[in-house]
Amino acid sequence: DADVTQTPRNRITKTGKRIMLECSQTKGHDRMYWYRQDPGLGLRLIYYSFDVKDINKGEISDGYSVSRQAQAKFSLSLESAIPNQTALYFCATSDTGDGNIQYFGAGTRLSVL
Amino acid sequence: AQSVTQLGSHVSVSEGALVLLRCNYSSSVPPYLFWYVQYPNQGLQLLLKYTTGATLVKGINGFEAEFKKSETSFHLTKPSAHMSDAAEYFCAVRFSGNTGKLIFGQGTTLQVKP
Repeated sequence: DADVTQTPRNRITKTGKRIMLECSQTKGHDRMYWYRQDPGLGLRLIYYSFDVKDINKGEISDGYSVSRQAQAKFSLSLESAIPNQTALYFCATSDTGDGNIQYFGAGTRLSVL
Repeated sequence: AQSVTQLGSHVSVSEGALVLLRCNYSSSVPPYLFWYVQYPNQGLQLLLKYTTGATLVKGINGFEAEFKKSETSFHLTKPSAHMSDAAEYFCAVRFSGNTGKLIFGQGTTLQVKP
């Protein structure tokens, strides 16, 4: 089983709908991150959490919210989806040691029509 | 502002040729540096990293990168490209004081021709 699991892997939704993307990890890491990937823009940080009680905005948090339900779970929500939120979304985890290497899930491809 | 720049969004090489993917960052303080690879329909995998110590870093699949402080660069190389190296490559930087956050470059798609 993958260390960082994202569900669903693919999702198509309509403008205005609320949608949740889920991430769970078995690596025992305290730190978790949500990114979106767009062609030509690389990965951009949406939100990150350094422990269960810690939530921080990244560079592009508008239109998104997150919930850290447990050390192993970090969910990303789009409260009212819009077409420009169509993208590939990645969850990642890291530990405080080892240079803070981040480990990524396989991604969720989201299309907002 | 802290930034990471990958020169060339697409690089094409012939099988067996040298691979050179360029990465520059904006900082006067040596950061932590990473290269990740993304194969189609997959997440990102760590190729190699530089934190401290030796400036020439060896990674998986025959890749290596050299940290050059004076040039604020961390270019990725491989002496001989294989077809299986075709993927998208991302340079990422953890700047000093960023407490674990990474800033990614725009990505470079490597095409390997037979």
